[in-house]
Amino acid sequence: ILNVEQSPQSLHVQEGDSTNFTCSFPSSNFYALHWYRWETAKSPEALFVMTLNGDEKKKGRISATLNTKEGYSYLYIKGSQPEDSATYLCAFSLMNNNAGNMLTFGGGTRLMVKP
Amino acid sequence: DGGITQSPKYLFRKEGQNVTLSCEQNLNHDAMYWYRQDPGQGLRLIYYSQIVNDFQKGDIAEGYSVSREKKESFPLTVTSAQKNPTAFYLCASSVHSGETQYFGPGTRLLVL
Repeated sequence: ILNVEQSPQSLHVQEGDSTNFTCSFPSSNFYALHWYRWETAKSPEALFVMTLNGDEKKKGRISATLNTKEGYSYLYIKGSQPEDSATYLCAFSLMNNNAGNMLTFGGGTRLMVKP
Repeated sequence: DGGITQSPKYLFRKEGQNVTLSCEQNLNHDAMYWYRQDPGQGLRLIYYSQIVNDFQKGDIAEGYSVSREKKESFPLTVTSAQKNPTAFYLCASSVHSGETQYFGPGTRLLVL
């Protein structure tokens, strides 16, 4: 079983603060790294998929970077808003996995933004 | 309206009983997945199916069974052999395995 670690487990910030969290994954045989946002009482929703070392993706105030050589990805939120409150999940898949590139999920970072 | 539906939203299981959780998608996706979430833990893969009439065990398949007779449907049965079934169950699908997954709203299973 692959180990995908996310830190911190939870984070409380004030509205307007910028924040970032980390996803660590095995650096060998990398295929793809996914980020999902999971709001309470809703389904997890895909944010980004990254495949290349050095990839940077951006969606509004949220951006992500990828370092496949050292096995980490950062998710940044600029100027956090209360509607950003959610659990952010990362998921990793291996190349040429006999299981068909299945995703292994981290435990998530729970972000709470206070107005 | 395309998407994934799961039913029921809440399910109660009695001791020794098998229960089946429904998952349906109308996205024409080949791959479907079942995950379990326990408090404070990430999603763990129970079973997955890359194509109709085929499925594979995930990391925690013991005590569960699935079928994939139709492309749209991937029901999960929690058998009496699953000693700790209380959890939140999420179903997902993707165009092909390894690609972005789209999730249903989940089913919470409780033991009476």
